[in-house]
Amino acid sequence: GDSVTQMEGPVTLSEEAFLTINCTYTATGYPSLFWYVQYPGEGLQLLLKATKADDKGSNKGFEATYRKETTSFHLEKGSVQVSDSAVYFCALSGMVTGGGNKLTFGTGTQLKVEL
Amino acid sequence: EAGVAQSPRYKIIEKRQSVAFWCNPISGHATLYWYQQILGQGPKLLIQFQNNGVVDDSQLPKDRFSAERLKGVDSTLKIQPAKLEDSAVYLCASTRWGDSQETQYFGPGTRLLVL
Repeated sequence: GDSVTQMEGPVTLSEEAFLTINCTYTATGYPSLFWYVQYPGEGLQLLLKATKADDKGSNKGFEATYRKETTSFHLEKGSVQVSDSAVYFCALSGMVTGGGNKLTFGTGTQLKVEL
Repeated sequence: EAGVAQSPRYKIIEKRQSVAFWCNPISGHATLYWYQQILGQGPKLLIQFQNNGVVDDSQLPKDRFSAERLKGVDSTLKIQPAKLEDSAVYLCASTRWGDSQETQYFGPGTRLLVL
């Protein structure tokens, strides 16, 4: 079945540091890939997405490129801020029998950004 | 547009008691999902509805969990009887049917604590 593996946290960085959170996936076919963010006390929010190979999703300074050859979708940001502290989930969307899409999530990576 | 609504936001019950959660998806969204997110893990799909029909309930513990979506709009998820390991956040999400690049919109979740 589909699966997503992401690096374990917590990841602790100083403000303005470069961020990379690794994500690799296993899926049949050509899934869409997503990064979701969960800020403390809030629900899941879509951060960015990519729907086909070599697509780059970007939002709020974050970006990730859909790499089919390495089955990866690593999240990057050039300069993190304290407000980026949150839990980040990598996910893929695969088809289910009967129609529709099913999201499969990784276990999440907690990011802590300090001054 | 209004987001996905869930209630209650928090619930504390004793083991072996029953509990029900309610979800109102975004207007016009035909597909509705219930997820279970245990602390430190990514959300796990419990059940997916397409209008009022079940598309996927393969990971729903049917001996104690049930869900319905009458009239293809609101949905309820019930646990009877609850166990300690059911303590989690229960997320509802919805999406439009037929979009080629559909994205699931999540509600704020219901945090359940079973004592």
